[in-house]
Amino acid sequence: QVHLVESGGGVVQPGKSLRLSCAASGFTFSNYGIQWVRQAPGKGLEWVAIIWYDGSNKYYADSVKGRFTISRDNSKNMVYLQMNSLSAEDTAVYYCARAGSGSDYWGQGTLVTVSS
Amino acid sequence: DIQMTQSPSTLSASVGDRVTITCRASQSISSWLAWYQQKPGKAPKLLIYRASSLQGGVPSRFSGSGSGTDFTLTISSLQPDDFATYYCQQYNSYSPWTFGQGTKVEIK
Repeated sequence: QVHLVESGGGVVQPGKSLRLSCAASGFTFSNYGIQWVRQAPGKGLEWVAIIWYDGSNKYYADSVKGRFTISRDNSKNMVYLQMNSLSAEDTAVYYCARAGSGSDYWGQGTLVTVSS
Repeated sequence: DIQMTQSPSTLSASVGDRVTITCRASQSISSWLAWYQQKPGKAPKLLIYRASSLQGGVPSRFSGSGSGTDFTLTISSLQPDDFATYYCQQYNSYSPWTFGQGTKVEIK
């Protein structure tokens, strides 16, 4: 069955960097895009970034453009989110999700807390 | 970027009620719209894709309609398990994807 597992979250100081990973299994990974979505405590869903199935296209939310980079390794069934220059506004649970016609499979999320 | 405006932000309803949530796109997105249900502490669950297609395993009381810029999610008869927050998301391939602000469905 399809599984997506995020990792790499934790507590980080403002201005620092963190890399999140999303490990996928149970489907032909190279056929699907992957999106990252975050949710700040008590807030709604915020779309963060998406990478196409072959890595040829990437799109970012304005709030993270220039600071976050999404990438993938189809040989390892992995997607990464490199997050630089983090601020308190980036504190959230980060989800990765399979992107097709909507997102039918989601990970459990990983919590990123930006705090000094 | 395409903006999604969802309404209402909160909705109070009773079991058995018919519930309608709307989502408006700032420009045409054809039918590239999904609806999700989210419960506290859980990942979102896909209900509807391509504006009106019911995801497998989702009860038939959920339905979606619309195209272009105006979309609707309808729950024909609200059940206790349906009290949750609902989000629309546009997924136009050649642009950033965006969510609506969410609609919390509460018990009246």
